[in-house]
Amino acid sequence: GENVEQHPSTLSVQEGDSAVIKCTYSDSASNYFPWYKQELGKRPQLIIDIRSNVGEKKDQRIAVTLNKTAKHFSLHITETQPEDSAVYFCAAGGNTGNQFYFGTGTSLTVIP
Amino acid sequence: EAEVAQSPRYKITEKSQAVAFWCDPISGHATLYWYRQILGQGPELLVQFQDESVVDDSQLPKDRFSAERLKGVDSTLKIQPAELGDSAMYLCASSLAPSGYEQYFGPGTRLTVT
Repeated sequence: GENVEQHPSTLSVQEGDSAVIKCTYSDSASNYFPWYKQELGKRPQLIIDIRSNVGEKKDQRIAVTLNKTAKHFSLHITETQPEDSAVYFCAAGGNTGNQFYFGTGTSLTVIP
Repeated sequence: EAEVAQSPRYKITEKSQAVAFWCDPISGHATLYWYRQILGQGPELLVQFQDESVVDDSQLPKDRFSAERLKGVDSTLKIQPAELGDSAMYLCASSLAPSGYEQYFGPGTRLTVT
């Protein structure tokens, strides 16, 4: 089965700086890699996703890069704002049966 | 905007008691997932349905947990008997189809077993 590792577990940045969160996966058949943001006490919400036929995807201040050869993908948040503070989860899956495995999460704190 | 509904939002039960959670996915979503999220960890898939059929329940502790989606719409997750270690957030999610479609999460049920 899939094994997803996520680093770092906690991350503090100054407002305006960039934040990078990295994930690795083990199953080369995985072809869908979403990132979810979960604010305290709320449900996870998709912020960006990438499929295996694309190396990079960007949406305003958020970007995701995928290296299929190395089996890792990263979330990049630029010009961070206090409202970006939350726990971010990566996930990998999308092969037959769509078995999703989530990373352990990164608690991001943006210091004003 | 359509959302996944779950009830109850909070449940406190004593160990050895039975407990049940309900989920109503977004209309038209054929795939439904139940996850368990322990504080400080990522969601762990318990069971996945495609319409009324179980696609994956490899992580479901079948001696005490059961799940059903009889008509392929709403779903119920049951724990009997509950144990202290079952205290967690139980999240339901749905997607249009499996294999790479966005999953929409419900608000979750916070279970505390005393």
